[in-house]
Amino acid sequence: DTGVSQNPRHKITKRGQNVTFRCDPISEHNRLYWYRQTLGQGPEFLTYFQNEAQLEKSRLLSDRFSAERPKGSFSTLEIQRTEQGDSAMYLCASSADWEETQYFGPGTRLLVL
Amino acid sequence: AQSVTQPDIHITVSEGASLELRCNYSYGATPYLFWYVQSPGQGLQLLLKYFSGDTLVQGIKGFEAEFKRSQSSFNLRKPSVHWSDAAEYFCAVSASGTYKYIFGTGTRLKVLA
Repeated sequence: DTGVSQNPRHKITKRGQNVTFRCDPISEHNRLYWYRQTLGQGPEFLTYFQNEAQLEKSRLLSDRFSAERPKGSFSTLEIQRTEQGDSAMYLCASSADWEETQYFGPGTRLLVL
Repeated sequence: AQSVTQPDIHITVSEGASLELRCNYSYGATPYLFWYVQSPGQGLQLLLKYFSGDTLVQGIKGFEAEFKRSQSSFNLRKPSVHWSDAAEYFCAVSASGTYKYIFGTGTRLKVLA
C-alpha cells in the first residue's frame, strides 16, 4: 500500500472558478478526513466520513464547499466560486475503524489569484 | 474549549545538540496525543502517539515524548538532532469518539551545521 494519495498536488485558479480535489485513502481505511492548513498555522478540521456517510462538518466548511465519498472509497472536495481566502493546503487523512491514528496524504496546495 | 498550544514558533539548534519542543493542551479528559512532522510542501508524518499506559513514548527517527498529566503537557524530545530533522512539528490532540484532531500552530525547527 502506498498510503494516502491526493490529486492534484498543486492548483492555481482565478477567483470565481470552481475547483475539485481528489483523495484516495489507504485501501482498508473506512474513515476519511479533510483538513485545511493556511500559512503558518496548523491544520484545521473540515469534515469527516465513515464509509460513504459524512458524519461531521466544521463551521469552516461554508456553503461553497462540498465533499463527497460516493462509494466509500475515494473522496472529492469541491470549492465553488473560489475566493482568495481559500488559498491554502488541503490535506486528506484516513484511518481504520479500530484505531485513532490518522494517516495524512501529501496535500493539495491551492492558490487563488 | 479544547486547544493545543505550542509556545515556540521557531527553534534553532546546532546539529548534535539536544532538542525539546513544547506542547500544552486544554482538554476535559485525558486526550489522545500525537506529534507529526511536516517537511516543506509535504503532508504530515506521524512521529509518535500516546493513548494510555507508559507516559514516555518512543517514536520514529529517535524521537520520544513524555505525557505529564499534572502539567497538561506532551513535550517532544530528541537527544541529538540531525540536519535532516529541520522541518515543522505539530502537536495534535483528539478524544475517543470525536475522530477529529485539534492541532497546535506548529514549531519550525532550524538546524545549524
